[in-house]
Amino acid sequence: SYVVTQLPSVSEAPGKTARITCGGSNIGSKSVHWYQQKSGQAPVLVILYDSDRPSGIPERYSGSNSGNTATLTISRVEAGDEADYYCQVWDSSSGRLNGVFGGGTKLTVV
Amino acid sequence: EVLLVQSGAEVKKPGESLRISCQASGYSFTSHWIGWVRQMPGKGLEWMGIVYPGDGEVKYSPSFQGQVTISADKSIRTAYLQWTALKASDTAMYYCARQSGGGTATGPSDYWGQGSLVTVSS
Repeated sequence: SYVVTQLPSVSEAPGKTARITCGGSNIGSKSVHWYQQKSGQAPVLVILYDSDRPSGIPERYSGSNSGNTATLTISRVEAGDEADYYCQVWDSSSGRLNGVFGGGTKLTVV
Repeated sequence: EVLLVQSGAEVKKPGESLRISCQASGYSFTSHWIGWVRQMPGKGLEWMGIVYPGDGEVKYSPSFQGQVTISADKSIRTAYLQWTALKASDTAMYYCARQSGGGTATGPSDYWGQGSLVTVSS
């Protein structure tokens, strides 16, 4: 089955740029969706189809996907960005559809 | 406004059965896939499966096939996740989520329920 890998944690100072990566074999050929989950809350979609932002998500959030790595970039990081971030891809290489999540990356704003 | 409202927290014993629900409003219920996601305590998100309320088609994650049953009742705009014999390892928060893009299963989940906490303990 398809495996998606994320670093467990990333730290960044306020005002700087945080980059959260999602690795997978030829992930650039798949569409990647990103979710933000703050403590005690349900996930929220922040990037869809690699780089599109849903309405209401700040322009500071952007995404890219190429080769074996997809990246969520958060510019001018704020304290309110502190959360767990999950990437998701859809895979059917096993003959069965599977919505694969990465293990999640905790963003700490220090 | 799209809303997904889930049933409340449950405390059950091992071996008991359970069905949790997700009631949808604010959109055409029969035109969007709706799925379930598990989050065990302190852990990440795990995709369980999705159902298309329009015709009842269900797709399960290989990890959850045979472990749970996903269904939907379009007459009351409600999706369900059920177990016949719970285990302690089923203790988790369960989220329902709508797939965007109408009849497309493989899109992003654009709206999420608030979560249903299931605790299984003897």
